[in-house]
Amino acid sequence: AQSVTQPDIHITVSEGASLELRCNYSYGATPYLFWYVQSPGQGLQLLLKYFSGDTLVQGIKGFEAEFKRSQSSFNLRKPSVHWSDAAEYFCAVGADDYKLSFGAGTTVTVRA
Amino acid sequence: NAGVTQTPKFQVLKTGQSMTLQCAQDMNHNSMYWYRQDPGMGLRLIYYSASEGTTDKGEVPNGYNVSRLNKREFSLRLESAAPSQTSVYFCASSVLPNTEAFFGQGTRLTVV
Repeated sequence: AQSVTQPDIHITVSEGASLELRCNYSYGATPYLFWYVQSPGQGLQLLLKYFSGDTLVQGIKGFEAEFKRSQSSFNLRKPSVHWSDAAEYFCAVGADDYKLSFGAGTTVTVRA
Repeated sequence: NAGVTQTPKFQVLKTGQSMTLQCAQDMNHNSMYWYRQDPGMGLRLIYYSASEGTTDKGEVPNGYNVSRLNKREFSLRLESAAPSQTSVYFCASSVLPNTEAFFGQGTRLTVV
């Protein structure tokens, strides 16, 4: 079965600085990959997804992610964060067993 | 355009009580899921329904039952609630298994 690791539990970044969130997965083939964002008290919103093709994918809110097969990674990036980006971010993997597996999440704090 | 609707939003139960969490989607999706979210553990899959008429256990099914009532509705039942079931519960749906999932707003359940 697939698994997902988000090594960083909490990241603090200054407004206007760049952000990178790490995601590593374990799966024998190329899985479907997703990043979700959750604001406090809300459900999860899809930021972006990778199924195949170009390994650099663009998402909503200025986010992008790069799939690196050799590193089994799917890291999320944003060049310049805004205070509204403070939230919890989840990486998810979909594979052959018909379900999505989520990482434990990374909480992002944005300081002024 | 409601998407995924969960009811109730909040619930307090006494140990041993039963209740059913309701979920409905209006996107004509085939697959539906129930997750629980606990601090530091991300989202863990309780049960899923890959298509109408099928249900399968996820990672943490003990103490829960589900019913895929029709294509739109997928309910989660706690027969005898325990404090360990205190959590935030999310319903989600997707066009097909492993594709992007759309989430409801969650149900915050407390068992005392």
